[in-house]
Amino acid sequence: EAGVAQSPRYKIIEKRQSVAFWCNPISGHATLYWYQQILGQGPKLLIQFQNNGVVDDSQLPKDRFSAERLKGVDSTLKIQPAKLEDSAVYLCASSGPVGYTFGSGTRLTVV
Amino acid sequence: GQNIDQPTEMTATEGAIVQINCTYQTSGFNGLFWYQQHAGEAPTFLSYNVLDGLEEKGRFSSFLSRSKGYSYLLLKELQMKDSASYLCAVFGGGADGLTFGKGTHLIIQP
Repeated sequence: EAGVAQSPRYKIIEKRQSVAFWCNPISGHATLYWYQQILGQGPKLLIQFQNNGVVDDSQLPKDRFSAERLKGVDSTLKIQPAKLEDSAVYLCASSGPVGYTFGSGTRLTVV
Repeated sequence: GQNIDQPTEMTATEGAIVQINCTYQTSGFNGLFWYQQHAGEAPTFLSYNVLDGLEEKGRFSSFLSRSKGYSYLLLKELQMKDSASYLCAVFGGGADGLTFGKGTHLIIQP
């Protein structure tokens, strides 16, 4: 089966700019997650979707981060405005019978 | 709250055995995952423990003790390609997102 697709692979922006990331999960996986992984740390869950509904967004900084999954398939994560501390890898994952499958991530650098 | 502890870094020799420990204190628990992550790549699934005991899969084994809040990942016949970060993650506590430890960076020396 095809894996979890994410784009772009890398992004460099200046602080206070906005940025968006895209994720296409494995076909048929109803649950989709966005994680933030800061260098040297484990991934931290930002938001979880079940189909197109939000299950958990308790760790999403809602003043600047937003995410949507309009048709229950693809998802976008947006940051506006970005801060230096948002520099991280943003991982998308979807869950199925053998657990979670992660995409390759988007490496964001905020300068 | 959620707290998952792993050693930051370990070094081992090619061909040897290494054990990476993970202790957890979480508000809920439905299972524990181990992932391998090479630099710049996505985490890849290694094992999933729900019940106490040892799960063996080739050169990799994972152990869980729920009463002690403890797990370990055992890697045998180490190869240079095993140099990576190993992430312990707890599944549970409401929504089924994973709570990860900070990861253990494993260095394999010739």
